[in-house]
Amino acid sequence: KAGVTQTPRYLIKTRGQQVTLSCSPISGHRSVSWYQQTPGQGLQFLFEYFSETQRNKGNFPGRFSGRQFSNSRSEMNVSTLELGDSALYLCASSLVGSANQPQHFGDGTRLSIL
Amino acid sequence: DQQVKQNSPSLSVQEGRISILNCDYTNSMFDYFLWYKKYPAEGPTFLISISSIKDKNEDGRFTVFLNKSAKHLSLHIVPSQPGDSAVYFCAATTLWDYKLSFGAGTTVTVRA
Repeated sequence: KAGVTQTPRYLIKTRGQQVTLSCSPISGHRSVSWYQQTPGQGLQFLFEYFSETQRNKGNFPGRFSGRQFSNSRSEMNVSTLELGDSALYLCASSLVGSANQPQHFGDGTRLSIL
Repeated sequence: DQQVKQNSPSLSVQEGRISILNCDYTNSMFDYFLWYKKYPAEGPTFLISISSIKDKNEDGRFTVFLNKSAKHLSLHIVPSQPGDSAVYFCAATTLWDYKLSFGAGTTVTVRA
């Protein structure tokens, strides 16, 4: 069974640009969550989607947005990039997103802002 | 506001001995707890979980203990193996929430 796939694996952007990251969940999984991992803040929740609807959002500015498609694939967009956005962005999927269904993570997209 | 805390950034243990990782939480609404393991350049991998209605859950070499009154949980790995060298994250959530709150992680090194 294929795992969670994130593309691209690495990305280099400059300040002010925008970026789109992609996540394909495990087949049959309908919940997709996004997390940001930085050395100083650890893993922080960005948002969660289920059936194309955002159900929960973390404490990130509006520059961070996402969406989910009918096939459960998800994209995350960051506009007006800042140096502090340099991080590992992780996507996780689960069947329906409830706590007793562990989230399965992809290997992440490493975003570097110059 | 860090609601899940792992106060030990690192742990070194001899192969074959027990590894004990600790985690504290502040949000009394949390009722489901998970441990994840992460190797460099890979995403976190689910290890074991425990519901707040239990105080212990075992899966092979891994056992998680929960002390709700102290808002504390621990992960025991017995016996520790070289492949266990990784970063371990404690996470917590409410049963019908859709997000995990993570601790900062503990780097475990198993010495031969």
